[in-house]
Amino acid sequence: AQSVTQLGSHVSVSEGALVLLRCNYSSSVPPYLFWYVQYPNQGLQLLLKYTTGATLVKGINGFEAEFKKSETSFHLTKPSAHMSDAAEYFCAVRASFGNEKLTFGTGTRLTIIP
Amino acid sequence: DAEITQSPRHKITETGRQVTLACHQTWNHNNMFWYRQDLGHGLRLIHYSYGVQDTNKGEVSDGYSVSRSNTEDLPLTLESAASSQTSVYFCASSGGQGAYTQYFGPGTRLTVL
Repeated sequence: AQSVTQLGSHVSVSEGALVLLRCNYSSSVPPYLFWYVQYPNQGLQLLLKYTTGATLVKGINGFEAEFKKSETSFHLTKPSAHMSDAAEYFCAVRASFGNEKLTFGTGTRLTIIP
Repeated sequence: DAEITQSPRHKITETGRQVTLACHQTWNHNNMFWYRQDLGHGLRLIHYSYGVQDTNKGEVSDGYSVSRSNTEDLPLTLESAASSQTSVYFCASSGGQGAYTQYFGPGTRLTVL
């Protein structure tokens, strides 16, 4: 079965500093990988996704993620944190071929320090 | 614009009562999903549907049921609410055909007393 591990349930960074949120996956099929963001009292919004092709994926709000097959990782980065980035972030992987389910990690809460 | 809505946004009920949470999408997506979100557990899949009259159990389906009579709606029913079902519930939909991207509703916060 596919699985996702997000290292660090809470991450704090200073405003203007690099944001790095870690995601490692396990998948028996070529992975499709996703990052979602959840702002307080809202649903999840898609930040970016990797399916095939270029391994560096750019998303909304200045975020990007790099698929590294050898490391089974899909870490999310942003060069300069903004106060508005404070939210919870979820990494997800597709469950299997021909199966539209996603398996989500347990989430990382990002706090921005002024 | 297409959207996915959930109602009610907040619900307080008593143990043993039947509760139905509504989910409506205007994306015309075939696939719909129900999740619950609890601290430390992330999102866990309750039930899902790949089309009208199709329903499937997810990893935490005990005590929940769904039915799909049209493309737009997938209501979630708690047959006899329990305190362990206090949670935030999210509905999502996807377009299928390998798209995999799921679009989420705003959530329903359910409290069972």
